[in-house]
Amino acid sequence: DGGITQSPKYLFRKEGQNVTLSCEQNLNHDAMYWYRQDPGQGLRLIYYSQIVNDFQKGDIAEGYSVSREKKESFPLTVTSAQKNPTAFYLCASSIPSNRGNYGYTFGSGTRLTVV
Amino acid sequence: GDSVTQMEGPVTLSEEAFLTINCTYTATGYPSLFWYVQYPGEGLQLLLKATKADDKGSNKGFEATYRKETTSFHLEKGSVQVSDSAVYFCALGGNYGGSQGNLIFGKGTKLSVKP
Repeated sequence: DGGITQSPKYLFRKEGQNVTLSCEQNLNHDAMYWYRQDPGQGLRLIYYSQIVNDFQKGDIAEGYSVSREKKESFPLTVTSAQKNPTAFYLCASSIPSNRGNYGYTFGSGTRLTVV
Repeated sequence: GDSVTQMEGPVTLSEEAFLTINCTYTATGYPSLFWYVQYPGEGLQLLLKATKADDKGSNKGFEATYRKETTSFHLEKGSVQVSDSAVYFCALGGNYGGSQGNLIFGKGTKLSVKP
């Protein structure tokens, strides 16, 4: 079955470390997205990519970086510059909306905790 | 710019009660509208959608009608169950290419159903 896989499910980071969250999809979707969700809060867009080798900053990109070298993969690196990284991170994908908007398919999330 | 406003929670209901979660939107053009559901510790799942005015989306007993005249997409269910306890997100997205197709999410409404 096609889907979108995030790993790991839980991740612990020490102060000052960079960590990378994985997001892989086999849906043949062109667009991919990263969101951050804090307890009791909505979704905030970190980065998105409409096509391979191209990506744009979202609303809260500072302290994060991404790459899009393959259509299937959109890893997110949380750098030491992100001062409050503890959160639930969600990856999503979609087909281009110029074919009609079918919404996003989400992964099951990665919970990152700074220890 | 485009935006989504949904009623603040939490909403607490008894089993078999009627549910309404209000969602209104501001958008240029004619967006598609979505409801997503998030169960504890999981990613978001598409619950239902509507792509044009007067469309009714439905799934698992939930319904929502795209009302252009009132710019609303309220979520309803006639008889909720304990298993419906979750956070519900309203979203809109354009039907054109590029970032206009990105979904804009409401802040989410937490529903708790008591037995």
